[in-house]
Amino acid sequence: DVKVTQSSRYLVKRTGEKVFLECVQDMDHENMFWYRQDPGLGLRLIYFSYDVKMKEKGDIPEGYSVSREKKERFSLILESASTNQTSMYLCASSTRTKGSEQYFGPGTRLTVT
Amino acid sequence: GENVEQHPSTLSVQEGDSAVIKCTYSDSASNYFPWYKQELGKRPQLIIDIRSNVGEKKDQRIAVTLNKTAKHFSLHITETQPEDSAVYFCAASMGNEKLTFGTGTRLTIIP
Repeated sequence: DVKVTQSSRYLVKRTGEKVFLECVQDMDHENMFWYRQDPGLGLRLIYFSYDVKMKEKGDIPEGYSVSREKKERFSLILESASTNQTSMYLCASSTRTKGSEQYFGPGTRLTVT
Repeated sequence: GENVEQHPSTLSVQEGDSAVIKCTYSDSASNYFPWYKQELGKRPQLIIDIRSNVGEKKDQRIAVTLNKTAKHFSLHITETQPEDSAVYFCAASMGNEKLTFGTGTRLTIIP
């Protein structure tokens, strides 16, 4: 059974703080993704990674960076949190097979005050 | 890049009736179309998918149809049950592993 975990379910940070969100998967998946979910906007891709130390920008990368030092771990970094980054953040992983299922983590609800 | 539009944003149906959710995509190179279901407070999970070489796929009470010419695909749920209440997301992929999601449909089944 694929398991994707995220470091926190709820997080409250202040404007300007540096924020780390961590995601770990235990199925040896090559691909990992970070999305944010906002009402009426669906799931929007922030960054993804096809392999260790590889990263590619998604559709809304501004204000975010990522790190993938180990295959099982993918971190999302908010360099200087802003109120418009208040959102639900979802991590996902998949195999490298084209059209493979993405397995999601439980999500982190981040509030920036 | 790819753009996926999804309609309606909310849908209420009587238990036992059918529900249809429609999506359109912009890039004719897209060839993989999954549907994810997200129950309240839970993570999205894949429920069915279709590839561009197939026009229709069924799995018990759910089915997906694809019209490549018109660039749209639909999710059909028959004999709806209370546990079908959830948010449904369509998505499209251009053959790599990246998905572009629609904005979601909140389906409510009225007992």
